[in-house]
Amino acid sequence: DAMVIQNPRYQVTQFGKPVTLSCSQTLNHNVMYWYQQKSSQAPKLLFHYYDKDFNNEADTPDNFQSRRPNTSFCFLDIRSPGLGDAAMYLCATSRVSSSYNEQFFGPGTRLTVL
Amino acid sequence: AQSVSQHNHHVILSEAASLELGCNYSYGGTVNLFWYVQYPGQHLQLLLKYFSGDPLVKGIKGFEAEFIKSKFSFNLRKPSVQWSDTAEYFCAVNPLKSGAGSYQLTFGKGTKLSVIP
Repeated sequence: DAMVIQNPRYQVTQFGKPVTLSCSQTLNHNVMYWYQQKSSQAPKLLFHYYDKDFNNEADTPDNFQSRRPNTSFCFLDIRSPGLGDAAMYLCATSRVSSSYNEQFFGPGTRLTVL
Repeated sequence: AQSVSQHNHHVILSEAASLELGCNYSYGGTVNLFWYVQYPGQHLQLLLKYFSGDPLVKGIKGFEAEFIKSKFSFNLRKPSVQWSDTAEYFCAVNPLKSGAGSYQLTFGKGTKLSVIP
């Protein structure tokens, strides 16, 4: 089945220790998104790639970076995680058309910062 | 910037009760509308979507939603809830406009539904 895969599902890191979260997709979608979701809150868009074009949200901290080496993969790098970065990180994909845009979500990676 | 309001933070119902969750958005143009559900410990799943046509859309598990353009609303309904419907429900809006951000989703803050057996 075509899908969005995130690895790992659970990640524990130490305060200030860099961490990388991975997302891959078999849907061949041209847009990939990274969201941060804290407990009982709406997903908050961090950034997205439209093909190779990177689009950062204005309020995304510099601590968060992303890479998309090819269509299938996208990475979220947190350079120096703080306690406030503990959250669920969601990857989503979509194939943008002129008439509609449906996003498909992965299962998420739950990040714990010690 | 567009916004999405979900007025109910937490709804508690008994099994077989009817459900209606409110969703209002602020954007004057054409929109795509979505309801996502997040069961405990699971990822976001699409419940239903509206792109165009019949404003009453039916989704999975007996859910439906009605788009009322004049009220900027897209309320979610189910005639009879089950314990397994216990989850968090998110309304999301994608404004159809040109330029950057034309394909982004704006989510509401979510409504937690607890169904008591």
